[in-house]
Amino acid sequence: GAGVSQSPSNKVTEKGKDVELRCDPISGHTALYWYRQSLGQGLEFLIYFQGNSAPDKSGLPSDRFSAERTGGSVSTLTIQRTQQEDSAVYLCASSTWTSQGAKNIQYFGAGTRLSVL
Amino acid sequence: KQEVTQIPAALSVPEGENLVLNCSFTDSAIYNLQWFRQDPGKGLTSLLLIQSSQREQTSGRLNASLDKSSGRSTLYIAASQPGDSATYLCAVTGGGNKLTFGTGTQLKVEL
Repeated sequence: GAGVSQSPSNKVTEKGKDVELRCDPISGHTALYWYRQSLGQGLEFLIYFQGNSAPDKSGLPSDRFSAERTGGSVSTLTIQRTQQEDSAVYLCASSTWTSQGAKNIQYFGAGTRLSVL
Repeated sequence: KQEVTQIPAALSVPEGENLVLNCSFTDSAIYNLQWFRQDPGKGLTSLLLIQSSQREQTSGRLNASLDKSSGRSTLYIAASQPGDSATYLCAVTGGGNKLTFGTGTQLKVEL
């Protein structure tokens, strides 16, 4: 596609339910990133993928959060047993990859707004 | 741990005014620094990327500078327009290419 696509754009769920958020990166981009933007916390890194592997998961806030990427393309972020503090906008980005990263502009999707009631 | 701070948090200016947004970061070991724009309900749009070896980048009415040794960057917007109203975020790229974002400056340009 022309840009990074995220679905759904909005998700309302009840506390305790599981949710899946999807990211479809720009074709050919080998790197994929998940960020979270919440009130009072700003924009935080969650996890990134190089191909299908995740070298850095350091930003995942708890073991209720997991992510996978298949075929070097689509990624899914799963939140189990959602809590109200999980309410935020979840942003996905993709980029090409160089060894040093100096030129790796990250292109962002519009995000998924998650509301946990 | 890298920390990125932006000043001011909010700014309101009349149309046509030149303005400067400030960004500071605590760890100078960065690959690059980016300035983004975020409009309500939308994702981030990259405005300028300055590599760690560069001092500045220009795009149209925007000019961004980087002083890596002092941990500072500025975004200069010339002849501001109402369409420039948005939240501006700076972010630095560290190990693993992950971005560490600043807290943002909410800009309003009034007619």
